[in-house]
Amino acid sequence: EDKVVQSPLSLVVHEGDTVTLNCSYEVTNFRSLLWYKQEKKAPTFLFMLTSSGIEKKSGRLSSILDKKELFSILNITATQTGDSAVYLCAVDKLNNNDMRFGAGTRLTVKP
Amino acid sequence: DVKVTQSSRYLVKRTGEKVFLECVQDMDHENMFWYRQDPGLGLRLIYFSYDVKMKEKGDIPEGYSVSREKKERFSLILESASTNQTSMYLCASSPPGQISYEQYFGPGTRLTVT
Repeated sequence: EDKVVQSPLSLVVHEGDTVTLNCSYEVTNFRSLLWYKQEKKAPTFLFMLTSSGIEKKSGRLSSILDKKELFSILNITATQTGDSAVYLCAVDKLNNNDMRFGAGTRLTVKP
Repeated sequence: DVKVTQSSRYLVKRTGEKVFLECVQDMDHENMFWYRQDPGLGLRLIYFSYDVKMKEKGDIPEGYSVSREKKERFSLILESASTNQTSMYLCASSPPGQISYEQYFGPGTRLTVT
């Protein structure tokens, strides 16, 4: 059975802290792993990772995939209150048009 | 700018009612999806469609059906709503082909079944 597990489920930090969100997966026919940010609306796409060891960066956010150990991390440095959101990890499968989502990590950044 | 719209933001229905959730996208996307989102469970795929009149079951199709009569519109139907279908429902669309990561989501419909 396909599984995508995120940890922690929730996290509270203060502005300026660095956070690491984890996503592990057991999925057949893996194609790519994706990160989304969801605030009080629909998820918005952050990163897509297909190759191990190659870091993707966008401003203060970065992410990397380990296909041998079957996990990915999302790092956020110098957090701001606007980073408060649920971060969703999803795995995209080959020859299929669906994705398996994790339960999400709720990040709260306090001033 | 891709737009995915859903017919209602909030909906309250009674147990046993037939419920229609409508989703429309304006980017000529072939693929459309219906998810439900529940605390602690993340997003779960109910149904998806890769072309007009085509549909595929997702992870949790029981209690739901779908309709795709036109390319831009994908409807989710609850034949007889039950309280365990109280949830946030998200529709998404994506361009043609196998690359599904470019999913554009609608704003969601929060359905409460009493």
